[in-house]
Amino acid sequence: AQSVTQPDIHITVSEGASLELRCNYSYGATPYLFWYVQSPGQGLQLLLKYFSGDTLVQGIKGFEAEFKRSQSSFNLRKPSVHWSDAAEYFCAVGPRAGNNRKLIWGLGTSLAVNP
Amino acid sequence: DAGVIQSPRHEVTEMGQEVTLRCKPISGHDYLFWYRQTMMRGLELLIYFNNNVPIDDSGMPEDRFSAKMPNASFSTLKIQPSEPRDSAVYFCASSSGTGFSGNTIYFGEGSWLTVV
Repeated sequence: AQSVTQPDIHITVSEGASLELRCNYSYGATPYLFWYVQSPGQGLQLLLKYFSGDTLVQGIKGFEAEFKRSQSSFNLRKPSVHWSDAAEYFCAVGPRAGNNRKLIWGLGTSLAVNP
Repeated sequence: DAGVIQSPRHEVTEMGQEVTLRCKPISGHDYLFWYRQTMMRGLELLIYFNNNVPIDDSGMPEDRFSAKMPNASFSTLKIQPSEPRDSAVYFCASSSGTGFSGNTIYFGEGSWLTVV
């Protein structure tokens, strides 16, 4: 079955500390991979995405993610967290072939940032 | 540029009433999605359209839910009759079909529905 697992429901870090949010997927073939962020009361915004090529992708707001095929993972990282990064983070995967636009979503990781 | 526009932003209604949520996708986008977000179930895709045609409605919970897209710039999600368990945030999103399926999906700010 296709699924996305974000093992950490909630993470708290101190401002300035590094961050890693985990994402593991189960999919028939290597999918497209996405990270979205949702600030309180807002819609979701794309942080970054991986299609092919360099397995380390850069996104907005200083975020990066690394695709590891052998581990079926796509972990999100940031070297120094800012208070404004407090939000909900979602990992999603989607098919490479055909016209299917249905993404599979993780349940999200809530990030709190201590001053 | 205007993003995906949803209305109403907040709605409180009584059980049994009809609820209509509205969405204007980004101009030029030919895919439109309706999602529902709850604490218990996370983000669920209800239905999506391509060029105004419903492609996959397998996520629509039951016959009380219906969605239409009469033209490229407008879509509705209707719940009739509404029930307390329908309380959730409903997101509309759109994307361009040009290229591959990995095109970015742009979300609206959501319609927060409370059914009492």
